[in-house]
Amino acid sequence: DAGVTQSPTHLIKTRGQHVTLRCSPISGHKSVSWYQQVLGQGPQFIFQYYEKEERGRGNFPDRFSARQFPNYSSELNVNALLLGDSALYLCASSLWTGVISGNTIYFGEGSWLTVV
Amino acid sequence: TQLLEQSPQFLSIQEGENLTVYCNSSSVFSSLQWYRQEPGEGPVLLVTVVTGGEVKKLKRLTFQFGDARKDSSLHITAAQPGDTGLYLCAGALYQGAQKLVFGQGTRLTINP
Repeated sequence: DAGVTQSPTHLIKTRGQHVTLRCSPISGHKSVSWYQQVLGQGPQFIFQYYEKEERGRGNFPDRFSARQFPNYSSELNVNALLLGDSALYLCASSLWTGVISGNTIYFGEGSWLTVV
Repeated sequence: TQLLEQSPQFLSIQEGENLTVYCNSSSVFSSLQWYRQEPGEGPVLLVTVVTGGEVKKLKRLTFQFGDARKDSSLHITAAQPGDTGLYLCAGALYQGAQKLVFGQGTRLTINP
């Protein structure tokens, strides 16, 4: 079975530009979350979507937005890119929302974004 | 703000030695997950511990969840060069949203 897939794997953008990152969850998983991992740090929670609704948002500016589609895939959009947005953006999926036993969260390999 | 402090941040030891990585928090987590991450890749799940005091073993790796579900440890016995990598602990919270709070990571190097 395919795991969490993300695209693109690497991209370079210029300050002020916009970027869209895409994620396909594991088949049957309805929850998708996005995390930002800056070099040398652990991932930071950005968004969670479940059944196409935003369930939570981390401490990120409004330049960051996301959505989930009927097939449970998701997009993360970042506007007005800053140098500090350079990071590995990770998508994670799980069967449902909540943290009860059995609802393991699985990560994709990430999209490396470099802002120059 | 929920914080998960992971220590040590860097550890370099010789093959065959034992080591322990710690994650501590003042927050109570519903569960705690340990991941391993290779350079340029996403975190790969090693184990999930759910019950306070739970101990899980994965070959030479032993994971323990604290009784109060605020802390966890990862112990590696007889470390091998293949254990080299970044180890991340992540506490699971549910506050209307499913959220993982990650530690800073432990970069482990096992020297042959």
